[in-house]
Amino acid sequence: QQQVKQSPQSLIVQKGGISIINCAYENTAFDYFPWYQQFPGKGPALLIAIRPDVSEKKEGRFTISFNKSAKQFSLHIMDSQPGDSATYFCAARDNQAGTALIFGKGTTLSVSS
Amino acid sequence: DGGITQSPKYLFRKEGQNVTLSCEQNLNHDAMYWYRQDPGQGLRLIYYSQIVNDFQKGDIAEGYSVSREKKESFPLTVTSAQKNPTAFYLCASRPTGVSPQPQHFGDGTRLSIL
Repeated sequence: QQQVKQSPQSLIVQKGGISIINCAYENTAFDYFPWYQQFPGKGPALLIAIRPDVSEKKEGRFTISFNKSAKQFSLHIMDSQPGDSATYFCAARDNQAGTALIFGKGTTLSVSS
Repeated sequence: DGGITQSPKYLFRKEGQNVTLSCEQNLNHDAMYWYRQDPGQGLRLIYYSQIVNDFQKGDIAEGYSVSREKKESFPLTVTSAQKNPTAFYLCASRPTGVSPQPQHFGDGTRLSIL
């Protein structure tokens, strides 16, 4: 059973556009929501993370929006660049089940120049 | 440079063979994790360890085994009982204490069947 649902599976955006990836969850015990970026043949790298007591967090061109009541959070990439082409994973931590993360299935982003 | 080193980068397994994937970290992190990544499936947790000499099963532990004899090392053995071992295996570590803390990943080992 998938505890973190991520969409879309793939996304094509023009250079300079906004990329938006959405995630939804059901478990109210989740208390930490990171986003990871992964390039082919490499391990995921932490991009940005948020806690549920914050509705938005911005780091450079990357913003997480968090809606606690709807149990949804999203990643916005402003001014998308070809170098942003990668696979993005949202994740959540269950504070009642150890320290491992539960990952969404990933979104493959392609930014066309 | 501090980081997580996984070796080998590519590994081939014959039928009925056990193989061991190495994961070493010099970040002084207490917790370590093994994930399996399949196309379109995200990352699924195999095993994790929060302290030396202790580890817990994740969601897909069947056919795998681990050990945690040293803080910096968390090897994963893919046994012959794992019937579909072809995947990209990722090791991660995380400091404990003040939580939450992000997990840091190695660059993975790609395992294939001969």
